[in-house]
Amino acid sequence: GAVVSQHPSRVICKSGTSVKIECRSLDFQATTMFWYRQFPKQSLMLMATSNEGSKATYEQGVEKDKFLINHASLTLSTLTVTSAHPEDSSFYICSAKGGQETQYFGPGTRLLVL
Amino acid sequence: KQEVTQIPAALSVPEGENLVLNCSFTDSAIYNLQWFRQDPGKGLTSLLLIQSSQREQTSGRLNASLDKSSGRSTLYIAASQPGDSATYLCAGTYQAGTALIFGKGTTLSVSS
Repeated sequence: GAVVSQHPSRVICKSGTSVKIECRSLDFQATTMFWYRQFPKQSLMLMATSNEGSKATYEQGVEKDKFLINHASLTLSTLTVTSAHPEDSSFYICSAKGGQETQYFGPGTRLLVL
Repeated sequence: KQEVTQIPAALSVPEGENLVLNCSFTDSAIYNLQWFRQDPGKGLTSLLLIQSSQREQTSGRLNASLDKSSGRSTLYIAASQPGDSATYLCAGTYQAGTALIFGKGTTLSVSS
């Protein structure tokens, strides 16, 4: 099956700093990438939908100026958490979709903001 | 609002038992439905995908069914093993190419 990678897998940062998370489709071109967030004991919640070459569409309640998404190529999308705060600590997972309907998920990035 | 509910939230069974995990969705106009496994602190492993024209999918000891009219899906696990212990997530899409809407999951513990 198709492979999606995320980097870093784990990051600890100080409050007020920015963190960039990369999501790459390794063996297919991803026309659409989705970013999800998962808090402890909770399900995955969609944050935004990213189409290559266009602006991301954010879900209600997700601040687009805080969670910057860039999808500049068909194999890479980045999520930047700007001025991170402890409440942003979470598990961030991306998924990528090519020409077919199947979404392939990355392994996730665990963010801890101190 | 489209929501996915999973019952039970947690389940403990002895090894060898057959079990059923339930998933229901508020909007029966589901397009695709997918079951995932998530181990603690890890990402998602896709188990079964039921596409819009299908009603059932099987892989090894796993069988997933989808009844759109009732807005329900079930994941059947036969002859459970300790290695099956994980959280099982049900997720659906309502349109082609859109994001998945996830349930909160059922955490399964299989004791040896």
